[in-house]
Amino acid sequence: GEDVEQSLFLSVREGDSSVINCTYTDSSSTYLYWYKQEPGAGLQLLTYIFSNMDMKQDQRLTVLLNKKDKHLSLRIADTQTGDSAIYFCAESRDYGQNFVFGPGTRLSVLP
Amino acid sequence: SAVISQKPSRDICQRGTSLTIQCQVDSQVTMMFWYRQQPGQSLTLIATANQGSEATYESGFVIDKFPISRPNLTFSTLTVSNMSPEDSSIYLCSALLPPRLNTEAFFGQGTRLTVV
Repeated sequence: GEDVEQSLFLSVREGDSSVINCTYTDSSSTYLYWYKQEPGAGLQLLTYIFSNMDMKQDQRLTVLLNKKDKHLSLRIADTQTGDSAIYFCAESRDYGQNFVFGPGTRLSVLP
Repeated sequence: SAVISQKPSRDICQRGTSLTIQCQVDSQVTMMFWYRQQPGQSLTLIATANQGSEATYESGFVIDKFPISRPNLTFSTLTVSNMSPEDSSIYLCSALLPPRLNTEAFFGQGTRLTVV
């Protein structure tokens, strides 16, 4: 079946850039997402990208997609302590439905 | 946007009992889903809650264990039946607004279930 992989932990210093990587196996993935989960909260959609795009930028967030290698990354510029959370990569064939999530990357931002 | 409220937010239950989790959306949605997030794991789709008909379950999940109701376009329940410690998880409701609104899939804050 489909699979999504992520590294489990990432630590960065405040003000540095964070890069969270994700790989997926389903070549039929149409949508790829990044969700943020803060303690005690639900999932918050940060951004998503269509599989026919290779980059999307939204303020401090940059998503890069290498469809050939099935590799997705999320770059957070000028990382702040408020960015500390678990970041989930997810994919789906239909928008908003039947997500396959990665295990999540716990981002720790050090002062 | 949509606001999804889940109740309860957390519960501690005895094994062998059942718990019903409620999911209320503040607007009519086309699709509702239930996910499970086991400790230290990612989210797994349990089922799609269909309005007016039986839910569609993913592989590994069955109706007898996770009965789901969706009586209207804004409300759904998930019951975790005959619970065991392995059912200790966070259960999340998700909803998708109609396509014309061209927006995201929303998630509730989750129900943290501990079975003792």
